[in-house]
Amino acid sequence: KNEVEQSPQNLTAQEGEFITINCSYSVGISALHWLQQHPGGGIVSLFMLSSGKKKHGRLIATINIQEKHSSLHITASHPRDSAVYICAVRRETSGSRLTFGEGTQLTVNP
Amino acid sequence: NAGVMQNPRHLVRRRGQEARLRCSPMKGHSHVYWYRQLPEEGLKFMVYLQKENIIDESGMPKERFSAEFPKEGPSILRIQQVVRGDSAAYFCASSPPPIGFEQFFGPGTRLTVL
Repeated sequence: KNEVEQSPQNLTAQEGEFITINCSYSVGISALHWLQQHPGGGIVSLFMLSSGKKKHGRLIATINIQEKHSSLHITASHPRDSAVYICAVRRETSGSRLTFGEGTQLTVNP
Repeated sequence: NAGVMQNPRHLVRRRGQEARLRCSPMKGHSHVYWYRQLPEEGLKFMVYLQKENIIDESGMPKERFSAEFPKEGPSILRIQQVVRGDSAAYFCASSPPPIGFEQFFGPGTRLTVL
């Protein structure tokens, strides 16, 4: 079993829909990252959080440390949000290295 | 402030050749991480370096792979005697000291081994 599990693996939405991507992990962590990988392959860091909630534009990330769970929400989704969204954790016992989920492929149709 | 730079962006090698991948971290960043993304797979940690030091190489294959981050110049990931299974996207990320800051990713180098 992977230490970081994401769901769903694939998600198709219509423009304007509210989207949620989930991430569960099984190890103690010092931080959790949400990353975005576009079709061209580049990776952009969206959020790094260790507690609570962060918001940036239409993106919201939450984390529940006790339940070992994080969610990434996209409000008013747009076709340009189509990408792979990756959850990654920094384990308490492994310094700075990141352990990644398999990613969620999001497609937003116009 | 330029982002993390990697070159080349695409690299084609024949089996048995050497591949050298370069990563220039963001200005002020002294921590560099290398990650590999095999086709249809997720990202995997390879190595974590600080200037002139390898801090964690637990994700590096035991043979043919090496990494360095010299006092001057970019970090280098070197793959000797490449095989087809080395074909992947190799991403570099950097962060400022101290440990725990956000990592910023480069655009990646896509290695194809013929």
